[in-house]
Amino acid sequence: KQEVTQIPAALSVPEGENLVLNCSFTDSAIYNLQWFRQDPGKGLTSLLLIQSSQREQTSGRLNASLDKSSGRSTLYIAASQPGDSATYLCAVRQGGSEKLVFGKGTKLTVNP
Amino acid sequence: GAVVSQHPSWVICKSGTSVKIECRSLDFQATTMFWYRQFPKQSLMLMATSNEGSKATYEQGVEKDKFLINHASLTLSTLTVTSAHPEDSSFYICSASKVINTGELFFGEGSRLTVL
Repeated sequence: KQEVTQIPAALSVPEGENLVLNCSFTDSAIYNLQWFRQDPGKGLTSLLLIQSSQREQTSGRLNASLDKSSGRSTLYIAASQPGDSATYLCAVRQGGSEKLVFGKGTKLTVNP
Repeated sequence: GAVVSQHPSWVICKSGTSVKIECRSLDFQATTMFWYRQFPKQSLMLMATSNEGSKATYEQGVEKDKFLINHASLTLSTLTVTSAHPEDSSFYICSASKVINTGELFFGEGSRLTVL
């Protein structure tokens, strides 16, 4: 059974700092991995999708990497801003399935 | 774009009543939609997978008679919480995958249900 773990559970940084969020998964036979952002009381916004054959994806100040063999992904946020404050969720999709397995998320607070 | 809309965004109901939540893909067709439940400070738990024109597939431990799912068209799935109880109070989120599947899932804004 796939399990997804996100560390740390919460992170507080000053504005402008670069930061890394971590995601690990137990079964490396994944189809893809997706990073989401969730604001309080809101739905999920897709940030980056990495296919199993890819090593990384970039969008603006965000960069996500994937090391499938070791079961790890990182989300790098450059020059953090207060507007980046949210919960970041990592989810993996197994091969042969459309289901996503989510981690519990990392709650990020960027202080002005 | 790929926009998924849920309605209502929040609803309060009395214990014993039924509540329907709609999930619509606004600018794409979705053969498959998923319903999740999220408890405070917890991750999303998949409740069921809904395929257009067929019965939903429920995850283990989810009561199919309590959580009725209908996927009548390629752009609409509904979740009906029947005979709601306070323990059904939660945040319900749907997601959809495109007919031309890129592997990416798109999520609605969520619906907050409070049962008094």
